[in-house]
Amino acid sequence: SQTIHQWPATLVQPVGSPLSLECTVEGTSNPNLYWYRQAAGRGLQLLFYSVGIGQISSEVPQNLSASRPQDRQFILSSKKLLLSDSGFYLCAWAKREWQYFGPGTRLTVL
Amino acid sequence: AQKITQTQPGMFVQEKEAVTLDCTYDTSDPSYGLFWYKQPSSGEMIFLIYQGSYDQQNATEGRYSLNFQKARKSANLVISASQLGDSAMYFCAMRGLPNSGYSTLTFGKGTMLLVSP
Repeated sequence: SQTIHQWPATLVQPVGSPLSLECTVEGTSNPNLYWYRQAAGRGLQLLFYSVGIGQISSEVPQNLSASRPQDRQFILSSKKLLLSDSGFYLCAWAKREWQYFGPGTRLTVL
Repeated sequence: AQKITQTQPGMFVQEKEAVTLDCTYDTSDPSYGLFWYKQPSSGEMIFLIYQGSYDQQNATEGRYSLNFQKARKSANLVISASQLGDSAMYFCAMRGLPNSGYSTLTFGKGTMLLVSP
């Protein structure tokens, strides 16, 4: 069966520091991968999606970037975090219509 | 552009009663899919139910059913016989064209459901 992992689970970072969140999927090949952000008490906002290695599409221009160095690995990065980057970051994978989400990373920027 | 509207910020229901969570959508795509996800306090998004725009019958999954009214562009979630464990945030979401090579979801703002004993 397929599983999706995210780490770290929680993260507290100072403003201006770099960021690297990792997402890996097991049990499937060539999945579509997604990064979402959820601000406190709000819905999910799609940040990036990827249909293959090295193929990244950005939905929202901001100081975040994403990379897909391997088929089942998706990384969310920032060179300098802003206060507004705080939130709950969810990675998801999809085959056909369904998207399945990872456990998420709760990021607090101070 | 696609849009999902959930007008109920919060809903209360007593255990064992049924509850309906509202969802309306707007899209110009001829083919689309509608989803409901549950998000407990742990934060994980749990897939509940899916309805395709060309499906003739309403989707059902155990105690969950989707009341799909295409002409009204509504896709309400019905939870029968509520349980305490159903207390969570519920999100309605819509997928765009299925043959585009990828599927992205547009989410509503969610409805917080609280089930009381």
